[in-house]
Amino acid sequence: EAQVTQNPRYLITVTGKKLTVTCSQNMNHEYMSWYRQDPGLGLRQIYYSMNVEVTDKGDVPEGYKVSRKEKRNFPLILESPSPNQTSLYFCASSFDLTGGLGYDSPLHFGNGTRLTVT
Amino acid sequence: ELKVEQNPLFLSMQEGKNYTIYCNYSTTSDRLYWYRQDPGKSLESLFVLLSNGAVKQEGRLMASLDTKARLSTLHITAAVHDLSATYFCAVDRNSNYQLIWGAGTKLIIKP
Repeated sequence: EAQVTQNPRYLITVTGKKLTVTCSQNMNHEYMSWYRQDPGLGLRQIYYSMNVEVTDKGDVPEGYKVSRKEKRNFPLILESPSPNQTSLYFCASSFDLTGGLGYDSPLHFGNGTRLTVT
Repeated sequence: ELKVEQNPLFLSMQEGKNYTIYCNYSTTSDRLYWYRQDPGKSLESLFVLLSNGAVKQEGRLMASLDTKARLSTLHITAAVHDLSATYFCAVDRNSNYQLIWGAGTKLIIKP
């Protein structure tokens, strides 16, 4: 089954304790991205990766890191989590959208990771 | 700075009625997306709109795009309870999937 898999689904941690949220897709997608969702704010992009060679900041990258060592995986790393990073996080993927294949492809989302930092 | 505004943010309606959700955005873009989210669930793609005048329909939902007015609409025809969800529009800022999202419209459809 074609899907984007995030782990864990739920995570409770304490301030300053490094954590990683994993994201893997099995659709051979070039593009991957991380979002956070907060009530009343919609989704805000944290980082995105056009392909394994290109990764860039989104709108709210502070406090986060990402890695794209291979096409299928795009982990989100919080080196020193703080309570303001308590949120619902989504990983998403799609084809390369720079005018080639998949120009009209939507994003495919994972099931989300609900993170609480105390 | 690109801003995306949805109206209304909350909508309660009766089954069988028609209604429209509006998505306004502040700068030029040639790609707009509509997604659905059920409570506690992920986001599901509904429509991808790529050009001025684009209209797409799926079941009781129809989406349109007017790039000159910077407006997209999601029209619901003869609403049924199963369409209760939160609906988001998202606009591609630079044609490279840097999407700016609306705050979402929570739709409740009562029997």
